[in-house]
Parts: sequence; structure tokens; C-alpha cells
Amino acid sequence: QKEVEQDPGPLSVPEGAIVSLNCTYSNSAFQYFMWYRQYSRKGPELLMYTYSSGNKEDGRFTAQVDKSSKYISLFIRDSQPSDSATYLCAMSVSGGADGLTFGKGTHLIIQP
Amino acid sequence: DVKVTQSSRYLVKRTGEKVFLECVQDMDHENMFWYRQDPGLGLRLIYFSYDVKMKEKGDIPEGYSVSREKKERFSLILESASTNQTSMYLCASSLAGSGNTIYFGEGSWLTVV
Repeated sequence: QKEVEQDPGPLSVPEGAIVSLNCTYSNSAFQYFMWYRQYSRKGPELLMYTYSSGNKEDGRFTAQVDKSSKYISLFIRDSQPSDSATYLCAMSVSGGADGLTFGKGTHLIIQP
Repeated sequence: DVKVTQSSRYLVKRTGEKVFLECVQDMDHENMFWYRQDPGLGLRLIYFSYDVKMKEKGDIPEGYSVSREKKERFSLILESASTNQTSMYLCASSLAGSGNTIYFGEGSWLTVV
């Protein structure tokens, strides 16, 4: 069983729709959860960061963590064509230097 | 803003050549990382470093080495490039104890022919 599962998509939605992106994981020791956005031929950029369970909101983006279900989500409200990108979830056990465990990314397309 | 700079964006090298990929960060981060990203395989950690002159193997270190002589600089070395090392290479850095909120560079696209 892979540590982090993420549907690769593509997920195609019309402009203005609410988008839901999800990851499931198997390691209950994960405590730090992140979402990265990656445009084509660019490096990933940090979008959202959450510690432990709960919700975090930043503008049109909301990140949710449900540790009991080992499930994290990213919601995008009022989606724009500029949101078209690959979204990667990532998580780690500690604040140490051992790097993150990444999902393989979901390719999102917002149709104008 | 954190800036992680990878000096070479696109490289074409021949099989057997020694290849250096350079990375510099300007935020005094302790931790630095090298990943490669391939379609269908996602991001895989090659090496990381938590201090100057320290290095740790990641998930796929074979065929690679690294050097960290200064805090801000982390180099990835392909001792003898092979075609299966054609990939996008991503350097990243993070502050110690930050929960690994990693900041990435723009990536280096390496083609080995």
C-alpha cells in the first residue's frame, strides 16, 4: 500500500465551480500537511500548510485535515483558469530534515 | 520571499559525462534537498542535508552524490550520466523544525543522450 494516494486526474471543471482535491494516507504518524501547486515546467510552490487536524482558510483556498480518517482535502472556491495546474499533497512526521512524502499530484483544468 | 535558485534550467549531456547541478538559497535555511520528478512516479528524494558538510541518502541515491560546503549552496553530482537519469531535478530548502515546509527552485531539466 502506497503511503500517500492521490488521484492523478485530469479533473476538468468549468470556471467558477468549487473544486475539491483529496489525498489519503496510511501512516498515522503524519502531523504536518501541505498542498503545493505546480505549473507546467515550473517548480512546486507552497500553497497551504496545516499542522495536525482541522481547517485552514486562505482567500479562495481551504485546507482540511481529518486525521481519524487519514484524509486531507483542498477546496478552491470560485475557480479561475489561472488555477489550472497540478496540485500535490505532501506530509511529514516531524519537523526534521527527512523531507516530505508527496502524492503524485492531481492535474486540474479550469475551463473558461 | 524565499528564493531557491537553480543555475541551469535546461541541460543536454552525453552518456558518461560528469554533471553538476547547482542550487543556492538566500534564506539561511538549514535543510536542503534534491528531488527528481518523473511522470507517473512523482517526486522522489535523492539526497538531503541538514547542515554544512552533512548529507543523508534519500530514497534513490544510486548514481548521485552531493556536496554542501557552504550553508546556502547544495550541489548534485551525477558521476557518470546515464540515459535513465534524464529527468527534472528540483532543489529545495527548509528551516529546521518548520515541519518541512519546503520551498522549491524552478527545476533543472536534464536530458542525457
